[in-house]
Amino acid sequence: QKEVEQNSGPLSVPEGAIASLNCTYSDRGSQSFFWYRQYSGKSPELIMFIYSNGDKEDGRFTAQLNKASQYVSLLIRDSQPSDSATYLCAGGGGADGLTFGKGTHLIIQP
Amino acid sequence: EAGVAQSPRYKIIEKRQSVAFWCNPISGHATLYWYQQILGQGPKLLIQFQNNGVVDDSQLPKDRFSAERLKGVDSTLKIQPAKLEDSAVYLCASSPIGGDEQYFGPGTRLTVT
Repeated sequence: QKEVEQNSGPLSVPEGAIASLNCTYSDRGSQSFFWYRQYSGKSPELIMFIYSNGDKEDGRFTAQLNKASQYVSLLIRDSQPSDSATYLCAGGGGADGLTFGKGTHLIIQP
Repeated sequence: EAGVAQSPRYKIIEKRQSVAFWCNPISGHATLYWYQQILGQGPKLLIQFQNNGVVDDSQLPKDRFSAERLKGVDSTLKIQPAKLEDSAVYLCASSPIGGDEQYFGPGTRLTVT
């Protein structure tokens, strides 16, 4: 049974601070990892994906992958109230499809 | 570039009735997925198509759910008969050739009463 674990939150972060979201995964065979943002009542929106160990930066977002520890994280710098949403971590890829975590509810406090 | 299209956006049916959802993926995307998302949960994969062939349907409740993608483009997901626990958002997603990243449509919110 492939599992992706996330703390459901809520995670409350002051505006302008760094928000740190984490997830762990059970399947060592997973090759690709994804972060999606989901606003209430909307569908998931792809923010970033990462395939290799290390960091990947895109604007205010940085994804980090540690395959040895089976750990994925997402950092959001200079957090804005519009970043308030549920963040879904997913792993898998190829013929296996994706396994999603339950998501972390992030609240950015103005 | 147009995104993934889904219809209807909302559907309310009584238990034991049937319902069908339609999805049109992003143009050129060979892989299409159907997910079920229950409130407070992450999306759960129901079925994955590569062109018009099924890659994975291990989590599809085949006694009541069926899906097809006859011409390798748009797809239909059907539930017959519906149960109360089928109330959820049904999401369609697609991936580009050679890529694993998935792009989601707006979803269909199903309420079974």
